[in-house]
Amino acid sequence: AQSVSQHNHHVILSEAASLELGCNYSYGGTVNLFWYVQYPGQHLQLLLKYFSGDPLVKGIKGFEAEFIKSKFSFNLRKPSVQWSDTAEYFCAVNPYSGAGSYQLTFGKGTKLSVIP
Amino acid sequence: DSGVTQTPKHLITATGQRVTLRCSPRSGDLSVYWYQQSLDQGLQFLIQYYNGEERAKGNILERFSAQQFPDLHSELNLSSLELGDSALYFCASSVAGRGRPDTQYFGPGTRLTVL
Repeated sequence: AQSVSQHNHHVILSEAASLELGCNYSYGGTVNLFWYVQYPGQHLQLLLKYFSGDPLVKGIKGFEAEFIKSKFSFNLRKPSVQWSDTAEYFCAVNPYSGAGSYQLTFGKGTKLSVIP
Repeated sequence: DSGVTQTPKHLITATGQRVTLRCSPRSGDLSVYWYQQSLDQGLQFLIQYYNGEERAKGNILERFSAQQFPDLHSELNLSSLELGDSALYFCASSVAGRGRPDTQYFGPGTRLTVL
């Protein structure tokens, strides 16, 4: 079964610092990749996704992620974080089979705390 | 607002009881997914329905069942509840057409507390 690893459980940054959150998955075939964000007390919101094509994808709120197939990684980045980015970030993987089953396997999440 | 609605927002019940969680998908989405989020297990896929039929099953207990109705809303039934069933239950929806990638949009969740 596929698994998703997020290396950092809790990251604390000052405003304007750069952010990189790691995500590695274990699955040998074609995958669809996602980053979701969960602000305190809110539901999961899609930040960005990768299906195919350019491995560098841009999402909302200035976030981007790079898919490196050889490393089975999909790391999330933001050049300058803001206090409003304080949230929990989840990496998710869906093996693409074309059969119409799109269940997501999530990482454990990384809590980001941004200090003003 | 993702367009996915879930009711109730909070549910407090006792062990051994049965509860029903409800989800309405985004307009146009045919597929509904249920996930459980707990502190120890994280976010886990439970089950997927597509246009009324079960399409995929994950780590769903036998005490749990789900269905999707003709109007595409879905219900997750949890019975013989145990303390360990306390969690946040999310519903997501998507188009889920065969042969092309798909994006899931999540509802606000139902927080279940079993006492």
